Amino acid sequence: AQSVTQPDIHITVSEGASLELRCNYSYGATPYLFWYVQSPGQGLQLLLKYFSGDTLVQGIKGFEAEFKRSQSSFNLRKPSVHWSDAAEYFCAVGATGGGADGLTFGKGTHLIIQP
Amino acid sequence: DAGVTQSPTHLIKTRGQQVTLRCSPISGHKSVSWYQQVLGQGPQFIFQYYEKEERGRGNFPDRFSARQFPNYSSELNVNALLLGDSALYLCASSLEQTYGYTFGSGTRLTVV
Repeated sequence: AQSVTQPDIHITVSEGASLELRCNYSYGATPYLFWYVQSPGQGLQLLLKYFSGDTLVQGIKGFEAEFKRSQSSFNLRKPSVHWSDAAEYFCAVGATGGGADGLTFGKGTHLIIQP
Repeated sequence: DAGVTQSPTHLIKTRGQQVTLRCSPISGHKSVSWYQQVLGQGPQFIFQYYEKEERGRGNFPDRFSARQFPNYSSELNVNALLLGDSALYLCASSLEQTYGYTFGSGTRLTVV
């Protein structure tokens, strides 16, 4: 069965500093990988996704992620965070072949931005 | 264009009762998926419907059921509510049976 591990429950970063959120997945074949952001009381917004091809993926809001098959990782990065980036971040994996199996999400990382 | 809309936004029910949650997908989207998000956890997949048929089901008991209507809107029903069903229920729609999901803001269900 597929699974996602986000090792960091909370991360605190100063505004303007760089950010890296870790994500490790377990899946037998080539996975579909996603990063979502959730603000309090809101639904999920897709930041970026990886299906195939270039392993460095660019997303919205200045985020990027790198797929590393050898490490089963899909870490999210941003060079300079803004106070508005404070939110819950979820990594998710999906099976190839379409969406019928749904996505498997990690437990999330709560990002706190210090002024 | 309107995004994915869910109703109601908040709901309080008593143990043993039944509840129906509603979802209207983005216009033109034919697929609707439902997720349960318990406080402090990531969302868990419940169902996917595409062209009014159930195409995928997560590891949830038979108390959970859903349907999709000809206009592609969807309802999620939960019978015999338990305290553990308290959660944010998220609906997501996509154009086809793929991962191009857009999520709604969810329905917060509290079971007392």
